[in-house]
Amino acid sequence: GAVVSQHPSRVICKSGTSVKIECRSLDFQATTMFWYRQFPKQSLMLMATSNEGSKATYEQGVEKDKFLINHASLTLSTLTVTSAHPEDSSFYICSVAGAGDTQYFGPGTRLTVL
Amino acid sequence: DAKTTQPPSMDCAEGRAANLPCNHSTISGNEYVYWYRQIHSQGPQYIIHGLKNNETNEMASLIITEDRKSSTLILPHATLRDTAVYYCIVRPLNNNDMRFGAGTRLTVKP
Repeated sequence: GAVVSQHPSRVICKSGTSVKIECRSLDFQATTMFWYRQFPKQSLMLMATSNEGSKATYEQGVEKDKFLINHASLTLSTLTVTSAHPEDSSFYICSVAGAGDTQYFGPGTRLTVL
Repeated sequence: DAKTTQPPSMDCAEGRAANLPCNHSTISGNEYVYWYRQIHSQGPQYIIHGLKNNETNEMASLIITEDRKSSTLILPHATLRDTAVYYCIVRPLNNNDMRFGAGTRLTVKP
């Protein structure tokens, strides 16, 4: 499988600020990474597909100008939550499309917006 | 819009086999069955996947019915650390989308 890390593991920020979350594929060159979010007691919801060297593809209802995704290398994708508000508080999880088309997930980042 | 149906919760005694069912009656011929689990406040962990033959690895066994409309994930000797939400997902092999349903919350009890 692929080993995926995320940084930070948790972050608390004030309303109106921007937060950047990093997702790294440690042992696999990932042309495609995915970003999910999970609200309490709910399942994971796919937000966007991040493709190395090109623009991300966003799911319906996800604001691309609010959730900026950059996939500048085969091992790193970043998600920036711009002008965060309390309703953006969630568990953000990235995944990597690894060998055999199986997805491997990072440990997640818990964002709390005050 | 998950294409699978799973019971919302199940209990299992420690040391016993945990059998988690999944219905996927509308599965297409090119769709695989994937199982993941998510332990509280962690990212999902890949368990196993299969197309039509039964599969086994170091974590679990996957039994797929002959008509492929349902499957069962078997944890042969459940431990307390297997307490998690288990997700059954169907998708084509080359489709990157991994769509999660509500899953089954498995509680392994001493």
